[in-house]
Amino acid sequence: EAQVTQNPRYLITVTGKKLTVTCSQNMNHEYMSWYRQDPGLGLRQIYYSMNVEVTDKGDVPEGYKVSRKEKRNFPLILESPSPNQTSLYFCASSKTGGSYEQYFGPGTRLTVT
Amino acid sequence: SQKIEQNSEALNIQEGKTATLTCNYTNYSPAYLQWYRQDPGRGPVFLLLIRENEKEKRKERLKVTFDTTLKQSLFHITASQPADSATYLCAGSPGGYNKLIFGAGTRLAVHP
Repeated sequence: EAQVTQNPRYLITVTGKKLTVTCSQNMNHEYMSWYRQDPGLGLRQIYYSMNVEVTDKGDVPEGYKVSRKEKRNFPLILESPSPNQTSLYFCASSKTGGSYEQYFGPGTRLTVT
Repeated sequence: SQKIEQNSEALNIQEGKTATLTCNYTNYSPAYLQWYRQDPGRGPVFLLLIRENEKEKRKERLKVTFDTTLKQSLFHITASQPADSATYLCAGSPGGYNKLIFGAGTRLAVHP
């Protein structure tokens, strides 16, 4: 089954404790991206990747890191999480870019205390 | 800054009527507009994509229009059903390997 998976689905952590949210897709998609979703603000793109070893900033990249060492995986790293990063995070992938149908993962709800 | 704006107020309609949702874009010219459906606690699901050189696109009970003069897209659901109740998101991209900008979404409630 074609899908995007994220882990963990729920995470509660403390300020400053490094964490990684994993994202994997099995559709051989070139484009992958991370979004955060906050009430009233909608989905905001954090980072996106056009292919292996090629990444670029979205609208809200501060406080986040990404890497794309393999085509199927695109982890999101919070080196020193802060309470304002409490949010619902979605990973997405598409065949060839932001112009095309995006397949979203189920979401990761992160709480930073 | 580049923006996609959707009506933040919920849209309430009666079953069987046509729902019309609006998406306006400012400070950029997307070559593609996409519409997604999102149910509470779940990831968005793709519905339709329309290119700037297409005036209208249809899929079953769904219809999307793209007016580059008004800088607006309209999303219609005909013969609406309670199962259509969800939040609908509009997103625009300038094209290619580029970032995608989403609106905040409009919640649709279809009442029996």
